[in-house]
Amino acid sequence: GAVVSQHPSWVICKSGTSVKIECRSLDFQATTMFWYRQFPKQSLMLMATSNEGSKATYEQGVEKDKFLINHASLTLSTLTVTSAHPEDSSFYICSATGGLGQGYGYTFGSGTRLTVV
Amino acid sequence: GESVGLHLPTLSVQEGDNSIINCAYSNSASDYFIWYKQESGKGPQFIIDIRSNMDKRQGQRVTVLLNKTVKHLSLQIAATQPGDSAVYFCAEKYGGTSYGKLTFGQGTILTVHP
Repeated sequence: GAVVSQHPSWVICKSGTSVKIECRSLDFQATTMFWYRQFPKQSLMLMATSNEGSKATYEQGVEKDKFLINHASLTLSTLTVTSAHPEDSSFYICSATGGLGQGYGYTFGSGTRLTVV
Repeated sequence: GESVGLHLPTLSVQEGDNSIINCAYSNSASDYFIWYKQESGKGPQFIIDIRSNMDKRQGQRVTVLLNKTVKHLSLQIAATQPGDSAVYFCAEKYGGTSYGKLTFGQGTILTVHP
């Protein structure tokens, strides 16, 4: 089945620093990857959509310069939270498409808990 | 549809009861819908899906109903078990392409009491 690996699973960083989160499709080539953010007891909010080799498409209200997305290969997308602040603390989840798993091929990572102190 | 700043509704049931979780979706052009289960600190886990040209689909202990007239989805879980306790989300796909973006609904916290 399709597997998406997301690292790290949790990270604590100081305010003002940058944090990189990786999303890898392990056994398939991901046509498209999506990044979501989820605050406690809330739904998943789509941040951006990325396709390999092209610029990411950001949802309205998401700062492109703050949340840098790089989709350099068909198996790897990264989300970098630049100059992180406490309000960026959240659960970040990636999803990759193109695998043969259930759900039309949308496969989710296990998420990254970011805490900014 | 999307929920911004709203907290999740809750559903509490006894073990063995049937559960019904509802979801209103936002886009009449959405062509595919998925129900996900999310446990604390984990990513969403696929439960069942349905295409817009269907109104019902059954899986093991789960049934999804789609009412396009009122843009409503429901997930029925038969003989609910304590292991079913989690947050349940519906998601809709639209965008016209094969891998259009997936947008999540509000979600419901299901608690199953033994």
